Amino acid sequence: GAVVSQHPSRVICKSGTSVKIECRSLDFQATTMFWYRQFPKQSLMLMATSNEGSKATYEQGVEKDKFLINHASLTLSTLTVTSAHPEDSSFYICSASGGRRELFFGEGSRLTVL
Amino acid sequence: LAKTTQPISMDSYEGQEVNITCSHNNIATNDYITWYQQFPSQGPRFIIQGYKTKVTNEVASLFIPADRKSSTLSLPRVSLSDTAVYYCLVGDNPGTYKYIFGTGTRLKVLA
Repeated sequence: GAVVSQHPSRVICKSGTSVKIECRSLDFQATTMFWYRQFPKQSLMLMATSNEGSKATYEQGVEKDKFLINHASLTLSTLTVTSAHPEDSSFYICSASGGRRELFFGEGSRLTVL
Repeated sequence: LAKTTQPISMDSYEGQEVNITCSHNNIATNDYITWYQQFPSQGPRFIIQGYKTKVTNEVASLFIPADRKSSTLSLPRVSLSDTAVYYCLVGDNPGTYKYIFGTGTRLKVLA
């Protein structure tokens, strides 16, 4: 089946630094990818829609200058958490469908900001 | 606002059949119903999808009444490894549709 892969799976960084998370569709092309974040014991919250070749669309309340999204190719979207703070510590998950009816999710990336 | 409503949690015992119902009163004509399973620190994993009536695969069955305002995920003979959170999502084209997650149902299977 189709696979969406994220990297890194875990990252720890110091407060004030930036962290980049990659989301790749391994066997299909994805013009649209989605980024979610999830806090412990909570549901997934949609952050933004990543569009290949154009700007991302952010959900209300999500700071676009803090969470930079770049969808440079049909198989890669990146989420950069800029000037990270401890409250940005969370589980970040991407998804894509590749034109099929099923939505595929990445394994998730756990960010810990010290 | 999530388009779906599910029980927040359920407990079951190994070997039992578990039925989780999801309400989606405002489902649109083009919407499909999809169920996902999520283990801690992992991304959601596809279980089953349907539009109407009944769908069955190797792991679950999905029952959808004629009015499509609800759906029931049925897990036959659960095991401890089925302990997870189960999400019901409704939407049309997953390539472009922004799926909004509800609370999900936290299923705990007991020995």
